[in-house]
Amino acid sequence: DAGITQSPRHKVTETGTPVTLRCHQTENHRYMYWYRQDPGHGLRLIHYSYGVKDTDKGEVSDGYSVSRSKTEDFLLTLESATSSQTSVYFCAIRGTGGMNTEAFFGQGTRLTVV
Amino acid sequence: GQQLNQSPQSMFIQEGEDVSMNCTSSSIFNTWLWYKQDPGEGPVLLIALYKAGELTSNGRLTAQFGITRKDSFLNISASIPSDVGIYFCAGLGVQGAQKLVFGQGTRLTINP
Repeated sequence: DAGITQSPRHKVTETGTPVTLRCHQTENHRYMYWYRQDPGHGLRLIHYSYGVKDTDKGEVSDGYSVSRSKTEDFLLTLESATSSQTSVYFCAIRGTGGMNTEAFFGQGTRLTVV
Repeated sequence: GQQLNQSPQSMFIQEGEDVSMNCTSSSIFNTWLWYKQDPGEGPVLLIALYKAGELTSNGRLTAQFGITRKDSFLNISASIPSDVGIYFCAGLGVQGAQKLVFGQGTRLTINP
């Protein structure tokens, strides 16, 4: 299994509170991604990173921010959680060069905003 | 932005039948990836495709990178109960090549 760990695995939080999810990798891969998964929508890209301090928005980035201060960690923050952000969040990592473009996923974080 | 249209959204088949699903896009992709997701787990990579026209197999699974670079399909032969799950296609585009975008998924159900 790829060395990728998400924490926490489950979280319940109240509307309006900030929440931070962590993705940690031991593969030294350049690219890291945050997705959310909701029924009928598949996996939708929130933000991604292509290096330390280099991040960009995905298709559903409103209400989310990210930070990557070191290669191994990619943090996703919900500034003020809303019920619409109840979802399962997945982190993925990907290497670079030639055939090394396959992405590997973490186990997911189930977030419930009440 | 880049979007992938995956079909069908769901399939109900009998054990032993063959399965076919596909993904299409209005954009060109450099890489196509196919994943399977089991309940409560993250997606797991099944097959990766890197060149237009490429046909790759992994056991009973076969996937092809469309010659136009805008589509890909996945076939599963002689389905078995453990094939149940959600299958996703994903693509790395030419423009914005760092973005990995996914289709909506195909949910496969197998009747024994």
